[in-house]
Amino acid sequence: GAVVSQHPSRVICKSGTSVKIECRSLDFQATTMFWYRQFPKKSLMLMATSNEGSKATYEQGVEKDKFLINHASLTLSTLTVTSAHPEDSSFYICSARVARLNYGYTFGSGTRLTVV
Amino acid sequence: QQQVKQSPQSLIVQKGGISIINCAYENTAFDYFPWYQQFPGKGPALLIAIRPDVSEKKEGRFTISFNKSAKQFSLHIMDSQPGDSATYFCAASMNTGFQKLVFGTGTRLLVSP
Repeated sequence: GAVVSQHPSRVICKSGTSVKIECRSLDFQATTMFWYRQFPKKSLMLMATSNEGSKATYEQGVEKDKFLINHASLTLSTLTVTSAHPEDSSFYICSARVARLNYGYTFGSGTRLTVV
Repeated sequence: QQQVKQSPQSLIVQKGGISIINCAYENTAFDYFPWYQQFPGKGPALLIAIRPDVSEKKEGRFTISFNKSAKQFSLHIMDSQPGDSATYFCAASMNTGFQKLVFGTGTRLLVSP
Protein backbone atom coordinates (compact mmCIF):
# COMPACT_ATOMS: atom_id res chain seq x y z
CA GLY A 1 0.00 0.00 0.00
CA ALA A 2 0.90 3.67 0.01
CA VAL A 3 2.25 4.88 3.34
CA VAL A 4 2.30 8.34 4.81
CA SER A 5 4.59 8.58 7.82
CA GLN A 6 3.65 11.34 10.28
CA HIS A 7 5.86 12.56 13.12
CA PRO A 8 5.75 13.16 15.96
CA SER A 9 2.81 11.10 17.16
CA ARG A 10 2.53 13.14 20.35
CA VAL A 11 3.98 16.47 21.35
CA ILE A 12 3.59 18.71 24.38
CA CYS A 13 4.74 22.28 24.10
CA LYS A 14 4.56 25.46 26.14
CA SER A 15 2.33 28.35 25.17
CA GLY A 16 4.06 30.73 22.83
CA THR A 17 6.38 28.19 21.26
CA SER A 18 6.19 26.69 17.77
CA VAL A 19 5.75 23.07 16.84
CA LYS A 20 6.51 21.38 13.52
CA ILE A 21 4.69 18.29 12.30
CA GLU A 22 6.10 16.31 9.38
CA CYS A 23 4.40 14.06 6.88
CA ARG A 24 6.42 11.97 4.48
CA SER A 25 5.14 9.81 1.65
CA LEU A 26 7.35 6.74 1.88
CA ASP A 27 6.67 4.85 -1.33
CA PHE A 28 5.01 7.33 -3.63
CA GLN A 29 5.23 10.94 -4.68
CA ALA A 30 2.65 13.29 -3.25
CA THR A 31 2.20 16.46 -5.26
CA THR A 32 -0.71 17.39 -2.99
CA MET A 33 -1.18 16.79 0.70
CA PHE A 34 -4.13 17.66 2.88
CA TRP A 35 -3.95 18.74 6.51
CA TYR A 36 -6.83 18.07 8.87
CA ARG A 37 -7.64 18.93 12.45
CA GLN A 38 -9.84 16.74 14.59
CA PHE A 39 -11.39 17.61 17.94
CA PRO A 40 -12.38 14.82 20.36
CA LYS A 41 -15.35 12.81 19.13
CA LYS A 42 -15.68 15.04 16.08
CA SER A 43 -15.10 14.66 12.38
CA LEU A 44 -12.02 15.69 10.44
CA MET A 45 -11.92 19.34 9.48
CA LEU A 46 -9.82 20.24 6.46
CA MET A 47 -7.40 23.03 7.29
CA ALA A 48 -5.41 23.40 4.12
CA THR A 49 -4.19 21.80 0.93
CA SER A 50 -0.47 21.87 0.32
CA ASN A 51 1.00 21.69 -3.15
CA GLU A 52 4.61 20.86 -3.89
CA GLY A 53 6.52 23.96 -4.89
CA SER A 54 3.71 26.43 -4.37
CA LYS A 55 1.74 28.16 -1.63
CA ALA A 56 -0.78 26.20 0.37
CA THR A 57 -4.49 26.83 -0.01
CA TYR A 58 -6.21 27.42 3.31
CA GLU A 59 -9.83 26.76 4.15
CA GLN A 60 -11.99 29.64 5.25
CA GLY A 61 -11.39 30.59 8.86
CA VAL A 62 -7.95 28.96 9.14
CA GLU A 63 -5.21 31.41 10.08
CA LYS A 64 -2.43 30.99 7.56
CA ASP A 65 0.06 32.87 9.74
CA LYS A 66 -0.59 30.53 12.65
CA PHE A 67 -0.58 27.29 10.69
CA LEU A 68 2.38 27.47 8.32
CA ILE A 69 2.46 24.79 5.68
CA ASN A 70 5.46 23.96 3.55
CA HIS A 71 5.59 21.35 0.79
CA ALA A 72 9.21 21.55 -0.27
CA SER A 73 9.47 18.20 -2.03
CA LEU A 74 7.34 15.49 -3.55
CA THR A 75 7.68 13.41 -0.39
CA LEU A 76 7.56 15.91 2.47
CA SER A 77 4.97 18.34 3.75
CA THR A 78 5.21 20.12 7.09
CA LEU A 79 2.73 21.93 9.30
CA THR A 80 4.13 24.41 11.82
CA VAL A 81 1.87 25.67 14.56
CA THR A 82 3.33 29.04 15.48
CA SER A 83 2.98 30.77 18.83
CA ALA A 84 0.89 27.89 20.06
CA HIS A 85 -1.88 28.43 22.59
CA PRO A 86 -3.92 25.90 24.56
CA GLU A 87 -6.82 26.27 22.11
CA ASP A 88 -4.52 24.89 19.40
CA SER A 89 -4.40 21.58 21.27
CA SER A 90 -5.89 19.03 18.93
CA PHE A 91 -5.26 15.97 16.77
CA TYR A 92 -3.65 16.88 13.45
CA ILE A 93 -3.68 14.46 10.52
CA CYS A 94 -2.18 14.63 7.05
CA SER A 95 -3.40 12.85 3.95
CA ALA A 96 -2.38 12.33 0.35
CA ARG A 97 -4.16 11.20 -2.79
CA VAL A 98 -2.49 8.17 -4.35
CA ALA A 99 -2.64 7.32 -8.04
CA ARG A 100 -1.98 3.62 -7.54
CA LEU A 101 -4.84 3.39 -5.04
CA ASN A 102 -7.17 4.40 -7.85
CA TYR A 103 -6.78 7.93 -6.58
CA GLY A 104 -7.90 7.04 -3.09
CA TYR A 105 -6.58 8.86 -0.06
CA THR A 106 -4.12 7.56 2.51
CA PHE A 107 -3.75 9.11 5.94
CA GLY A 108 -0.93 9.59 8.38
CA SER A 109 -1.26 8.23 11.90
CA GLY A 110 -1.90 11.66 13.36
CA THR A 111 -0.19 13.96 15.86
CA ARG A 112 -1.67 14.72 19.25
CA LEU A 113 -0.64 18.27 20.14
CA THR A 114 -1.06 19.47 23.71
CA VAL A 115 -0.20 23.09 24.50
CA VAL A 116 0.32 23.81 28.19
CA GLN B 1 -23.73 21.59 -1.15
CA GLN B 2 -20.38 20.43 0.13
CA GLN B 3 -21.88 18.59 3.09
CA VAL B 4 -22.14 14.88 3.60
CA LYS B 5 -24.75 13.95 6.17
CA GLN B 6 -24.15 10.78 8.18
CA SER B 7 -26.39 8.81 10.50
CA PRO B 8 -26.71 7.45 13.08
CA GLN B 9 -24.32 9.29 15.39
CA SER B 10 -23.82 6.13 17.43
CA LEU B 11 -24.77 2.51 17.05
CA ILE B 12 -24.74 -0.54 19.28
CA VAL B 13 -24.88 -3.94 17.61
CA GLN B 14 -24.61 -7.41 19.03
CA LYS B 15 -21.79 -9.64 17.95
CA GLY B 16 -22.74 -11.39 14.72
CA GLY B 17 -25.28 -8.75 13.77
CA ILE B 18 -25.34 -6.35 10.83
CA SER B 19 -24.18 -2.78 11.31
CA ILE B 20 -25.65 -0.24 8.90
CA ILE B 21 -24.48 3.35 8.55
CA ASN B 22 -26.01 5.78 6.10
CA CYS B 23 -24.77 8.88 4.30
CA ALA B 24 -26.39 11.40 1.99
CA TYR B 25 -24.89 14.09 -0.21
CA GLU B 26 -26.12 17.00 -2.31
CA ASN B 27 -23.32 17.73 -4.76
CA THR B 28 -23.83 15.61 -7.87
CA ALA B 29 -20.24 16.36 -8.93
CA PHE B 30 -18.97 13.99 -6.24
CA ASP B 31 -17.61 10.87 -7.90
CA TYR B 32 -15.69 9.03 -5.19
CA PHE B 33 -17.27 7.74 -1.99
CA PRO B 34 -14.99 6.07 0.56
CA TRP B 35 -15.61 4.78 4.04
CA TYR B 36 -12.97 5.11 6.74
CA GLN B 37 -12.49 3.34 10.07
CA GLN B 38 -10.78 5.20 12.88
CA PHE B 39 -9.61 3.88 16.22
CA PRO B 40 -8.88 6.30 19.10
CA GLY B 41 -5.58 8.12 18.66
CA LYS B 42 -5.06 6.82 15.13
CA GLY B 43 -5.51 8.22 11.65
CA PRO B 44 -8.42 7.04 9.50
CA ALA B 45 -7.90 3.85 7.52
CA LEU B 46 -9.65 3.22 4.22
CA LEU B 47 -12.17 0.38 4.48
CA ILE B 48 -13.86 0.37 1.11
CA ALA B 49 -14.73 2.88 -1.59
CA ILE B 50 -17.12 3.12 -4.53
CA ARG B 51 -17.57 5.24 -7.62
CA PRO B 52 -21.02 6.13 -8.98
CA ASP B 53 -20.91 3.76 -11.93
CA VAL B 54 -21.75 0.78 -9.70
CA SER B 55 -24.55 0.29 -7.17
CA GLU B 56 -22.81 -2.10 -4.81
CA LYS B 57 -19.32 -3.13 -3.84
CA LYS B 58 -18.39 -5.88 -1.44
CA GLU B 59 -15.07 -6.58 0.22
CA GLY B 60 -15.15 -9.33 2.81
CA ARG B 61 -17.67 -8.41 5.49
CA PHE B 62 -17.98 -4.83 4.26
CA THR B 63 -20.44 -3.75 1.58
CA ILE B 64 -21.19 -0.32 0.16
CA SER B 65 -24.61 0.22 -1.34
CA PHE B 66 -24.89 3.27 -3.60
CA ASN B 67 -28.10 4.93 -4.80
CA LYS B 68 -27.19 7.61 -7.31
CA SER B 69 -30.74 8.89 -7.86
CA ALA B 70 -31.32 9.30 -4.13
CA LYS B 71 -27.80 10.63 -3.57
CA GLN B 72 -27.29 8.19 -0.74
CA PHE B 73 -24.78 5.51 0.12
CA SER B 74 -24.45 3.16 3.03
CA LEU B 75 -21.98 0.84 4.71
CA HIS B 76 -23.06 -2.61 5.82
CA ILE B 77 -20.84 -4.60 8.16
CA MET B 78 -21.90 -8.22 8.20
CA ASP B 79 -21.19 -10.54 11.12
CA SER B 80 -20.07 -7.58 13.23
CA GLN B 81 -17.28 -8.34 15.70
CA PRO B 82 -16.11 -6.57 18.88
CA GLY B 83 -12.92 -5.64 16.98
CA ASP B 84 -15.09 -3.60 14.60
CA SER B 85 -15.87 -1.20 17.45
CA ALA B 86 -14.54 2.11 16.13
CA THR B 87 -15.67 5.36 14.59
CA TYR B 88 -16.69 5.18 10.93
CA PHE B 89 -16.66 8.12 8.56
CA CYS B 90 -18.16 8.36 5.12
CA ALA B 91 -16.65 10.85 2.72
CA ALA B 92 -16.96 12.17 -0.81
CA SER B 93 -14.75 13.93 -3.30
CA MET B 94 -14.77 15.02 -6.91
CA ASN B 95 -12.14 14.55 -9.55
CA THR B 96 -11.69 18.25 -10.23
CA GLY B 97 -10.01 21.12 -8.46
CA PHE B 98 -8.02 20.15 -5.40
CA GLN B 99 -10.00 16.93 -5.06
CA LYS B 100 -10.39 17.37 -1.32
CA LEU B 101 -12.39 14.91 0.74
CA VAL B 102 -15.55 16.05 2.47
CA PHE B 103 -16.23 13.97 5.58
CA GLY B 104 -19.44 12.96 7.25
CA THR B 105 -19.86 13.59 10.97
CA GLY B 106 -18.93 10.06 12.00
CA THR B 107 -20.66 7.08 13.62
CA ARG B 108 -19.39 5.50 16.79
CA LEU B 109 -20.00 1.77 16.54
CA LEU B 110 -19.94 -0.50 19.56
CA VAL B 111 -20.23 -4.21 18.98
CA SER B 112 -21.19 -5.95 22.18
CA PRO B 113 -19.76 -9.42 22.86
